[in-house]
Amino acid sequence: KNEVEQSPQNLTAQEGEFITINCSYSVGISALHWLQQHPGGGIVSLFMLSSGKKKHGRLIATINIQEKHSSLHITASHPRDSAVYICAVTKNTGNQFYFGTGTSLTVIP
Amino acid sequence: KAGVTQTPRYLIKTRGQQVTLSCSPISGHRSVSWYQQTPGQGLQFLFEYFSETQRNKGNFPGRFSGRQFSNSRSEMNVSTLELGDSALYLCASSPTGTGTEAFFGQGTRLTVV
Repeated sequence: KNEVEQSPQNLTAQEGEFITINCSYSVGISALHWLQQHPGGGIVSLFMLSSGKKKHGRLIATINIQEKHSSLHITASHPRDSAVYICAVTKNTGNQFYFGTGTSLTVIP
Repeated sequence: KAGVTQTPRYLIKTRGQQVTLSCSPISGHRSVSWYQQTPGQGLQFLFEYFSETQRNKGNFPGRFSGRQFSNSRSEMNVSTLELGDSALYLCASSPTGTGTEAFFGQGTRLTVV
């Protein structure tokens, strides 16, 4: 079983919709990361969380350490949000990422 | 501040050849990690270097190796290339040992023919 589980695998939304992507993990972590990957390959770090909630613009990330669960929310989604969103965790052993399988998001105008 | 630079961006090699990929981390960052991304296996960890020492290693055969120089630049080498080594190879740099944000390069897309 993968140490990091992510859902859904694919998501299609209409522009303006509120979007939620979920992530569960089964190991002790030093931090949980939300990453974004556009076609072409480059990965951008959106959030790094060890507790609570963070917000950047229309993106909100939350983590519940006791339940080992995190969510990424996108408010007022836009076609430029179309990308693959990846949940990953790091442990206290180093900076190695343990990745979820990713969520492919398509936002339709 | 310059980002993480990976060279080359694209590479085509023949089976049996070897290849060296380069990653220049953000200035001041001491940790460099390498990942392989394929459609079938997703993102997989190759190895991590911190201050010139390999700290963690993923489950890849010995054909995959790496090193880190005193200026924190890192190289990875793949010998005796196989078709299955075709992938996007990404490196990520972090400033310190653990629990810090990582910054990814654009990747090197390797095609083995």
